[in-house]
Amino acid sequence: DAKTTQPNSMESNEEEPVHLPCNHSTISGTDYIHWYRQLPSQGPEYVIHGLTSNVNNRMASLAIAEDRKSSTLILHRATLRDAAVYYCIRFSGGSNYKLTFGKGTLLTVNP
Amino acid sequence: KAGVTQTPRYLIKTRGQQVTLSCSPISGHRSVSWYQQTPGQGLQFLFEYFSETQRNKGNFPGRFSGRQFSNSRSEMNVSTLELGDSALYLCASSLRTSGYNEQFFGPGTRLTVL
Repeated sequence: DAKTTQPNSMESNEEEPVHLPCNHSTISGTDYIHWYRQLPSQGPEYVIHGLTSNVNNRMASLAIAEDRKSSTLILHRATLRDAAVYYCIRFSGGSNYKLTFGKGTLLTVNP
Repeated sequence: KAGVTQTPRYLIKTRGQQVTLSCSPISGHRSVSWYQQTPGQGLQFLFEYFSETQRNKGNFPGRFSGRQFSNSRSEMNVSTLELGDSALYLCASSLRTSGYNEQFFGPGTRLTVL
């Protein structure tokens, strides 16, 4: 049970921003929100994580709703290299230290 | 800093055989997790080792086992292979000091069972 809901697929054009939504309505107060992506023929790659506040790093931004029931991964300028499956994951840590992957969102970037 | 390495990268076995896969984590990482990826089931958690102890286990039969050595390297063993065990096996290492530690994945071992 991944406990997150994401669209199966999304499409974007190169150089345009991409907003990837994730619903996690049953998230607990201590669960972190992690995003990973998997490029073709590679292992998953960490993108970003957050708990309550919005977060930015060199790869992306993470916007977390005030009630924490949803979040949005933002790629500011999509490139062809960003074409991948993006996974939104609730991560508890502690005794439940594991990533539970759902089906993710397949992002297609058009040139 | 070297990334997570997995050996072998590709493996072909026949039903009934057993197989051992190896994972070397990033230096300083004490947590190693294993995942199975198939087209039908996606990415599924197998187990996690930290400081040579299994800390978490996924919903897989007892044919799947693992261990971790004092240098944090980990091995995964699958006995009595079945056709359905054909998959990409990924390992990931982490510092495991908090709930936000990212996991770093290796390239995986592609296992084919004939």
